Amino acid sequence: QQQVKQSPQSLIVQKGGISIINCAYENTAFDYFPWYQQFPGKGPALLIAIRPDVSEKKEGRFTISFNKSAKQFSLHIMDSQPGDSATYFCAARRGNQGGKLIFGQGTELSVKP
Amino acid sequence: NAGVTQTPKFQVLKTGQSMTLQCAQDMNHEYMSWYRQDPGMGLRLIHYSVGAGITDQGEVPNGYNVSRSTTEDFPLRLLSAAPSQTSVYFCASSPLQGTEAFFGQGTRLTVV
Repeated sequence: QQQVKQSPQSLIVQKGGISIINCAYENTAFDYFPWYQQFPGKGPALLIAIRPDVSEKKEGRFTISFNKSAKQFSLHIMDSQPGDSATYFCAARRGNQGGKLIFGQGTELSVKP
Repeated sequence: NAGVTQTPKFQVLKTGQSMTLQCAQDMNHEYMSWYRQDPGMGLRLIHYSVGAGITDQGEVPNGYNVSRSTTEDFPLRLLSAAPSQTSVYFCASSPLQGTEAFFGQGTRLTVV
């Protein structure tokens, strides 16, 4: 049972374009939704996160859009750069279960110059 | 500040061998977790701990044991390695009053 479903599995975007990665969840008890970025040979690192009481959060070129009724959230990377090429994971966590992140399957993003 | 340190970085085991993956954090975080990363599967939680002496199972606990005798250390034990345990293993820690999980650099384990 995959509680968090992520798509697409891979994504190729031209430099300057918009990268969009989507996630859907099932458990309405989730109350924290982070996105992690992972470069080859490294551990994941927190990129941006959102709670379900807001519909959008923006940090620089990175924006999370959140649709609570649809149980979906997405990551938008504006003006994508080759340095953004990495694997991106969405995740979810219940408020009383710190340390228990449920991850999506991951999206391998490649930004072409 | 070292953060989360995992050792070893690479390991090859024969089927049936045992080993311990080490994880240490110097941030005084209460929560520590072990994940495995497989292609197309994302990261899956193996075991986690909410403090010294307290552990619980995650999504894929079979074949793995953990213990937490100190706040800093959270070792993962494979008692009898199987080829299905070939994976990249990540340890993470997070504070009690916070949300961000900090990950180590990972251990790439191959079981032949």
